[in-house]
Amino acid sequence: GAGVSQSPSNKVTEKGKDVELRCDPISGHTALYWYRQSLGQGLEFLIYFQGNSAPDKSGLPSDRFSAERTGGSVSTLTIQRTQQEDSAVYLCASRPAGGTGANVLTFGAGSRLTVL
Amino acid sequence: SQQGEEDPQALSIQEGENATMNCSYKTSINNLQWYRQNSGRGLVHLILIRSNEREKHSGRLRVTLDTSKKSSSLLITASRAADTASYFCATDVGGTYKYIFGTGTRLKVLA
Repeated sequence: GAGVSQSPSNKVTEKGKDVELRCDPISGHTALYWYRQSLGQGLEFLIYFQGNSAPDKSGLPSDRFSAERTGGSVSTLTIQRTQQEDSAVYLCASRPAGGTGANVLTFGAGSRLTVL
Repeated sequence: SQQGEEDPQALSIQEGENATMNCSYKTSINNLQWYRQNSGRGLVHLILIRSNEREKHSGRLRVTLDTSKKSSSLLITASRAADTASYFCATDVGGTYKYIFGTGTRLKVLA
């Protein structure tokens, strides 16, 4: 696609429910990143993928968080048994493998999660 | 944990003035980047400076990098109201492809 697409753009859920957030990167971008941003705060690194594997998942806050990427394209971030502190904007970004823009992240518009 | 810290946390200036924000980081890097964020949503890349570069310009943006002090600064000259946004630095941790962002500077340019 022309840009990084994230869905849903907004999600309101009840505490204890599971949620899935989807990221569709730019076509051909081999690397994909997930960040979390709480209101008025900086970006917190969660995980990144190179192809379908995750060299670094050290930022996932707890075992309630998991992410997968299939076919080197779409990624899903799953949060199980959501808690109120999970409320945040979840941002996805992708990066090409090479070329002049190889180090530049292109971000999606984010998925705003509100846990009641 | 976040790699970088930025200061000031917030900056308010008049249109036409210059805005300077600073970033400090912790590990060795291959490059440092600056991004802009409007309204708490997606970030947009502004400029990248490599570890062997000391200064880089792009339009009204000037970035400096001091690897001995592990710090960088972003200067926006002749600011405009449209420059109002949050600005973040990002670094690759230890030369890997893991990118960590700073805490951000909220810039407000008053017309």
